[in-house]
Amino acid sequence: EDQVTQSPEALRLQEGESSSLNCSYTVSGLRGLFWYRQDPGKGPEFLFTLYSAGEEKEKERLKATLTKKESFLHITAPKPEDSATYLCAARGGTASKLTFGTGTRLQVTL
Amino acid sequence: DVKVTQSSRYLVKRTGEKVFLECVQDMDHENMFWYRQDPGLGLRLIYFSYDVKMKEKGDIPEGYSVSREKKERFSLILESASTNQTSMYLCASSNPPGQGNEKLFFGSGTQLSVL
Repeated sequence: EDQVTQSPEALRLQEGESSSLNCSYTVSGLRGLFWYRQDPGKGPEFLFTLYSAGEEKEKERLKATLTKKESFLHITAPKPEDSATYLCAARGGTASKLTFGTGTRLQVTL
Repeated sequence: DVKVTQSSRYLVKRTGEKVFLECVQDMDHENMFWYRQDPGLGLRLIYFSYDVKMKEKGDIPEGYSVSREKKERFSLILESASTNQTSMYLCASSNPPGQGNEKLFFGSGTQLSVL
């Protein structure tokens, strides 16, 4: 059974304090590792897709990396507007099914 | 701007009622999905559809059914609502895998309370 585990559950950072979120996955034949951002009361919004170990993608203060067992979302010099829940999901094997982690709730304070 | 629109933002129903949640996408996507999101459990897939009139069970289909009569519309039906179906329901759409750009686009969600 495919599994995706995110840590920590919650993270509180001061503005400018860089950190990383972890996503560990156990998926048969990974066909994509996805990161989403979810603001309170809204649906998740796509950030990145990674397909193979060693791949990296960046967007503003966020950088996602992938190894054979886990993915990291690095947040450099975060701002309060980066506060959100970050979700990781993996697609493995056949079809379109994604397995989601439970998310990391990030709070960035002034 | 591309959109996935869910018909209701908040819904309150009574136990035993039949509940319809509607979702419409304007991106001509083939795939559509229904998830529920609960604290500590994350997003769990209820049903998905690859094409009109096609449906596949997800991880937690019990107590739910779906309908996809048109490509742009995917409906989730709770035949007889129960209190354990109180949750945030999220609809999503995407292109099929292998065509690139296969990310999910989500609606804003429907918070359903069953009393």
